[in-house]
Amino acid sequence: GAGVSQTPSNKVTEKGKYVELRCDPISGHTALYWYRQSLGQGPEFLIYFQGTGAADDSGLPNDRFFAVRPEGSVSTLKIQRTERGDSAVYLCASRGANTEAFFGQGTRLTVV
Amino acid sequence: DQQVKQNSPSLSVQEGRISILNCDYTNSMFDYFLWYKKYPAEGPTFLISISSIKDKNEDGRFTVFLNKSAKHLSLHIVPSQPGDSAVYFCAATGNTPLVFGKGTRLSVIA
Repeated sequence: GAGVSQTPSNKVTEKGKYVELRCDPISGHTALYWYRQSLGQGPEFLIYFQGTGAADDSGLPNDRFFAVRPEGSVSTLKIQRTERGDSAVYLCASRGANTEAFFGQGTRLTVV
Repeated sequence: DQQVKQNSPSLSVQEGRISILNCDYTNSMFDYFLWYKKYPAEGPTFLISISSIKDKNEDGRFTVFLNKSAKHLSLHIVPSQPGDSAVYFCAATGNTPLVFGKGTRLSVIA
């Protein structure tokens, strides 16, 4: 597809479990961003990749959150020992050299 | 500490009238501003942007105004249409990842 794809679209998990959220950016986009949006809030920055490396991970809330982008394309956001407060929509965006950021449809994570 | 503020959580406008959505920012390093539109169960979609070297940018029914001295920008939609009903996010950057406001839910009533 031509847009940013995120899978799964919905994920329900039990408290304490490990989850992985996947983002397929637009082909050729070197910059990739993860955001988290809670109810009634705007998207909050988590981490930014330029190529394979994390250029800025200052938004990750704690060490339970980790993200990788090993080949500079697909990225995976990993959350260990999930807590109910992690429930949110996780948004991925990618950007090319002279383009705006394009967002995927998001993954709605519910921790029960 | 909210660097980008959208103080109106919601706005209702009649079809055909003008919608004005406001946004304030605190970080003077921001030099590029964007508006995104979001429908339920979809990701934000880019709408219009403005660089700090300009004070106005227009694209069809959408115009963004920037007042740097007041650290304020606004999005004007005219005429408003029912399909414009969505949540609108203001975002800003200064060679940093985008910083978003909390959004304003616009309802255009037929």
